[in-house]
Amino acid sequence: ETGVTQTPRHLVMGMTNKKSLKCEQHLGHNAMYWYKQSAKKPLELMFVYNFKEQTENNSVPSRFSPECPNSSHLFLHLHTLQPEDSALYLCASSQDLVGFNQPQHFGDGTRLSIL
Amino acid sequence: SQQGEEDPQALSIQEGENATMNCSYKTSINNLQWYRQNSGRGLVHLILIRSNEREKHSGRLRVTLDTSKKSSSLLITASRAADTASYFCATDYQGGKLIFGQGTELSVKP
Repeated sequence: ETGVTQTPRHLVMGMTNKKSLKCEQHLGHNAMYWYKQSAKKPLELMFVYNFKEQTENNSVPSRFSPECPNSSHLFLHLHTLQPEDSALYLCASSQDLVGFNQPQHFGDGTRLSIL
Repeated sequence: SQQGEEDPQALSIQEGENATMNCSYKTSINNLQWYRQNSGRGLVHLILIRSNEREKHSGRLRVTLDTSKKSSSLLITASRAADTASYFCATDYQGGKLIFGQGTELSVKP
């Protein structure tokens, strides 16, 4: 139990569907992150939120839309995805931003498959 | 790019042996972190070493950092089958980001 819960664990969707990934952290952290992990590639940082404000959008296509209603919850809304978007999507949190020597705590991810 | 590189990409050893993984990076850092990922799971934080530290221990783990060479190493002593996983180094970048390397896949055979 890492204190970071992601749902669903697995998701299969068509290219025209709309779905959302959910992340919840029970650690009282202020920063939350979305990462994409594809086979044979390093983790790619997608978005960073600090105190509910987005501080980083790493050139992510607009078909991925993040939402952070409070410091404990983070969503990733998906629409009209492409087959290359199939990957493991990981959520993480940290007490403060990592530049302040903070480790990140990860959820177990959502395995997304685009048909 | 700040992206780190791990070496080797894959490592296979027998239980009881030591495993050493190396990481190199490109720009200045505040800290370097090591994580473990078991198949189908998220990443688990192992050790954080600050830029003014040279060595850090945690149980069977030993991490070194050489900022002059922009490199780090992770040593796992007396490895166990349960240590089988992918290991990643990550460096902080521009305050709010962690940049991960491609990882080392460690296989420990009983």
